[in-house]
Amino acid sequence: DAGVIQSPRHEVTEMGQEVTLRCKPISGHDYLFWYRQTMMRGLELLIYFNNNVPIDDSGMPEDRFSAKMPNASFSTLKIQPSEPRDSAVYFCASRGEGAGAGANVLTFGAGSRLTVL
Amino acid sequence: QKEVEQNSGPLSVPEGAIASLNCTYSDRVSQSFFWYRQYSGKSPELIMSIYSNGDKEDGRFTAQLNKASQYVSLLIRDSQPSDSATYLCAVINTGTASKLTFGTGTRL
Repeated sequence: DAGVIQSPRHEVTEMGQEVTLRCKPISGHDYLFWYRQTMMRGLELLIYFNNNVPIDDSGMPEDRFSAKMPNASFSTLKIQPSEPRDSAVYFCASRGEGAGAGANVLTFGAGSRLTVL
Repeated sequence: QKEVEQNSGPLSVPEGAIASLNCTYSDRVSQSFFWYRQYSGKSPELIMSIYSNGDKEDGRFTAQLNKASQYVSLLIRDSQPSDSATYLCAVINTGTASKLTFGTGTRL
């Protein structure tokens, strides 16, 4: 398995532009998570999906952020309009439904580093 | 109070020594605990998980959990230069069973 695949790896854009980050979870994983990482705040959960349905979006900072999961193999995180304070590394992670010792173990993608000028 | 707190470090230990990383959490009913390692510029990767009070050993790593005191620690024996990374503590709380909350990490 190729793991969790994110694109783009790096994005530099100007304030006000729309940004779309993409994620392909591990095949068979039922849960998908979007995290944002900054030096000041660490890893923050933005939103997570179970079976393509958004379960908890309480971490989405404001209406400029939106996330979709149209099918089991694809999710997007969109920022419109982008602002300099959105600059961060955005990670996508997935996990399976399993129980026991392997439950709740996340596999992270390589991340998308976003810079908003 | 943050849900999960860690000393940001940096923590320096001599090669071959034991590194001790600590984490406290605020929700007394937290049920599952994880340590992730993150190398600079890379994504977090799981090192250990622990669910019950006591110690859990895996190679050079030992996770310790004390639910009464609400802390979890990670010991790294025979520390190597390759252990230099940021170590993230994460917890899952009852009632938010799928939601993994991370501390800000300790740089070793």
